[in-house]
Amino acid sequence: QKEVEQNSGPLSVPEGAIASLNCTYSDRGSQSFFWYRQYSGKSPELIMFIYSNGDKEDGRFTAQLNKASQYVSLLIRDSQPSDSATYLCAVNAWMDSSYKLIFGSGTRLLVRP
Amino acid sequence: GAGVSQSPSNKVTEKGKDVELRCDPISGHTALYWYRQRLGQGLEFLIYFQGNSAPDKSGLPSDRFSAERTGESVSTLTIQRTQQEDSAVYLCASVFPEIAGSTDTQYFGPGTRLTVL
Repeated sequence: QKEVEQNSGPLSVPEGAIASLNCTYSDRGSQSFFWYRQYSGKSPELIMFIYSNGDKEDGRFTAQLNKASQYVSLLIRDSQPSDSATYLCAVNAWMDSSYKLIFGSGTRLLVRP
Repeated sequence: GAGVSQSPSNKVTEKGKDVELRCDPISGHTALYWYRQRLGQGLEFLIYFQGNSAPDKSGLPSDRFSAERTGESVSTLTIQRTQQEDSAVYLCASVFPEIAGSTDTQYFGPGTRLTVL
């Protein structure tokens, strides 16, 4: 069974702080890694994807990938109350004759004003 | 429209009734996925379409669930004889994979919230 694990949280940080969200995965063959943000009652929206080891920055967001340790993280700098949401980590895996995105159950982030 | 659309947005039904959920993917997106999300849970893969064929139906929870797709367009997910445990949000995502069978960025529709009384 291919798995993606996330701490459910909530992770509470003050406004302006750095929020660090972590995700581990079980399939060493995974090549694509995604972070989605999901506001309550809404569908997931893509924030970032990363394919290579190291860091990838996009505005206030940085995705970090370490394939040897099988973890991917998302850093949110200068956190804003509007960042409060559930963040879903997704990893592609070859299962049952096709690639699938395997989603973690999400980490709830709360940014306190 | 530019995005993935789903209908209905909300569906309340009685236990034992059949329901049909619809997904209109982004034009030109050849792959389409259906997921189920129970309250407070992550996304559960149901079925994947490449064009109008379904190479992977492994996530369908039971034979009460079926799905079809017309060409590279609309898909319908049908749940027969609904049960209370079917209550969830059903999400559809479309993707234009560069490599057939791989996963690339998935764009989600707004979902259908199904409530089975």
